[in-house]
Amino acid sequence: GQNIDQPTEMTATEGAIVQINCTYQTSGFNGLFWYQQHAGEAPTFLSYNVLDGLEEKGRFSSFLSRSKGYSYLLLKELQMKDSASYLCAVRGNNFNKFYFGSGTKLNVKP
Amino acid sequence: KAGVTQTPRYLIKTRGQQVTLSCSPISGHRSVSWYQQTPGQGLQFLFEYFSETQRNKGNFPGRFSGRQFSNSRSEMNVSTLELGDSALYLCASSRDMGNTEAFFGQGTRLTVV
Repeated sequence: GQNIDQPTEMTATEGAIVQINCTYQTSGFNGLFWYQQHAGEAPTFLSYNVLDGLEEKGRFSSFLSRSKGYSYLLLKELQMKDSASYLCAVRGNNFNKFYFGSGTKLNVKP
Repeated sequence: KAGVTQTPRYLIKTRGQQVTLSCSPISGHRSVSWYQQTPGQGLQFLFEYFSETQRNKGNFPGRFSGRQFSNSRSEMNVSTLELGDSALYLCASSRDMGNTEAFFGQGTRLTVV
């Protein structure tokens, strides 16, 4: 079966750095995605990793280690608007079939 | 450029009824996937359509079905509704199969009473 694990909830302070981890076990791997979802809204695409290493995009960076089945999303200089759920998703053998984790709810406090 | 449009946004149905949800992908996108999102289970893949054909299917009972039209718009149908079908139903569109990015619609919030 497919298994994607991420912490349920995290709290961090405005201006700080937070790392959200994701581990996965899937049949096949064709990329790992991070999405941000504010309450009541659609998920929005943040990042995509298919090769090992770090992808940086402004305040957000995402890391992948395929051998370890592990990824993290790093958010720097946290802002209050970063309070949201962060979804880790793996694309398996079938290109448009994504397996999602349950999401990590990030609470940013002043 | 218009985003992914899902209708209706909210729906209340009673047990045993059936429901049809609609998704219009971004213009030029040919792949549409459907997901069910519940607090306990997270986002779960229902099925994916590309060029009017179902390409992938998740682990949902046969009460959940879908189709795609020649203009890439997709519909999802749930028959004999159960209380547990209450969820946010999201569709995502991408240009082709194998594309790196999928764009989600706002979802349809279905409540079964």
